[in-house]
Amino acid sequence: EPEVTQTPSHQVTQMGQEVILRCVPISNHLYFYWYRQILGQKVEFLVSFYNNEISEKSEIFDDQFSVERPDGSNFTLKIRSTKLEDSAMYFCASSTEGYRETQYFGPGTRLLVL
Amino acid sequence: AQSVTQLDSQVPVFEEAPVELRCNYSSSVSVYLFWYVQYPNQGLQLLLKYLSGSTLVKGINGFEAEFNKSQTSFHLRKPSVHISDTAEYFCAVSDPGFQKLVFGTGTRLLVSP
Repeated sequence: EPEVTQTPSHQVTQMGQEVILRCVPISNHLYFYWYRQILGQKVEFLVSFYNNEISEKSEIFDDQFSVERPDGSNFTLKIRSTKLEDSAMYFCASSTEGYRETQYFGPGTRLLVL
Repeated sequence: AQSVTQLDSQVPVFEEAPVELRCNYSSSVSVYLFWYVQYPNQGLQLLLKYLSGSTLVKGINGFEAEFNKSQTSFHLRKPSVHISDTAEYFCAVSDPGFQKLVFGTGTRLLVSP
């Protein structure tokens, strides 16, 4: 069964460094998402992406964050200058349509900012 | 703004017993409702969803949920749990026309022999 994959599974970085989290969505999906879960807190929506542009974003998704689909298979989340509070599990998801349809989640990347 | 409340952070239950995981949402308009499960070291997997129609929704692994508009609830139930059902369960809501899912804090189901 097709699945969403994410790399790396764990990443440790120093505060102020840039990180890029990578995701390979399911191949025939058109909508892509990033969510994050700070330890002990809710899973929070960050951004959705369709047709090479952001379709929705939350207030969390500020200028420090950006997303890109650099080729036909990868979907990336970049954090330009990491803060301690960016430490979280980051989940990528994809779906065939924008709403009503099931969002399929990857296993997550655990980011630790020191 | 949408919000989801899962009152139980942890639910311990014995194998083969029934279980109900509670979920309430805040909205006065139509919503889509979802239950996801997360097994250790894995991503979130959809158990079931309510979009419209019958208020009783059946999902995978023997789970079902009932949409109750008057009580703004979408409780998840299983008549007989297995050890393998031990996992974290998340209730989520989305507004029609919007893509983002709003999640609850999750309920950890612990099934013991």
